[in-house]
Amino acid sequence: DQQVKQNSPSLSVQEGRISILNCDYTNSMFDYFLWYKKYPAEGPTFLISISSIKDKNEDGRFTVFLNKSAKHLSLHIVPSQPGDSAVYFCAATPLDNNDMRFGAGTRLTVKP
Amino acid sequence: DGGITQSPKYLFRKEGQNVTLSCEQNLNHDAMYWYRQDPGQGLRLIYYSQIVNDFQKGDIAEGYSVSREKKESFPLTVTSAQKNPTAFYLCASSLSGAPNEKLFFGSGTQLSVL
Repeated sequence: DQQVKQNSPSLSVQEGRISILNCDYTNSMFDYFLWYKKYPAEGPTFLISISSIKDKNEDGRFTVFLNKSAKHLSLHIVPSQPGDSAVYFCAATPLDNNDMRFGAGTRLTVKP
Repeated sequence: DGGITQSPKYLFRKEGQNVTLSCEQNLNHDAMYWYRQDPGQGLRLIYYSQIVNDFQKGDIAEGYSVSREKKESFPLTVTSAQKNPTAFYLCASSLSGAPNEKLFFGSGTQLSVL
């Protein structure tokens, strides 16, 4: 029962261009959404989050957009850099219990 | 340097054998978690603990056991009852266990069956 889906297993973009990673969810009880980044041989690290009361959150080159009606969120990286090459996981959780769900991840490759 | 340490990096299990994966944190976090990652799937929660001597089952707890005798340590035992143990295991912690807290992850243990 995959409540959080990242339908693109991989994405390749040119350095300097925008990277857009997408995530869809099915559970309308999710209130809080997070993105994690994972390099090979390392654990995932937190990147950015957004609450369901907002539709956008920005942190430097990273922006997360939330469309609650469509149950869709996206992570934008502008401009993309080769060091951004990693696997990106989307996660979602309700706020009234500990039930965080993760997507399968999207492998981003940024080419110089 | 504060962080989460998982050991070993690679572990092999024989049929019928129990194996234990270690997870230690020096972040002074109350909550700790164990996740399993299989190819093409998201992380799935095995067990979590929000306080010493207390833990709750996640979605896929069958065939696994944990203990939380110290705040810093949350070892996971993969028992012989777990019929498909080959996976990548990630330990994580968070400050208090509130649902919207970010998780801090270890580097993981790859478990394979001989």
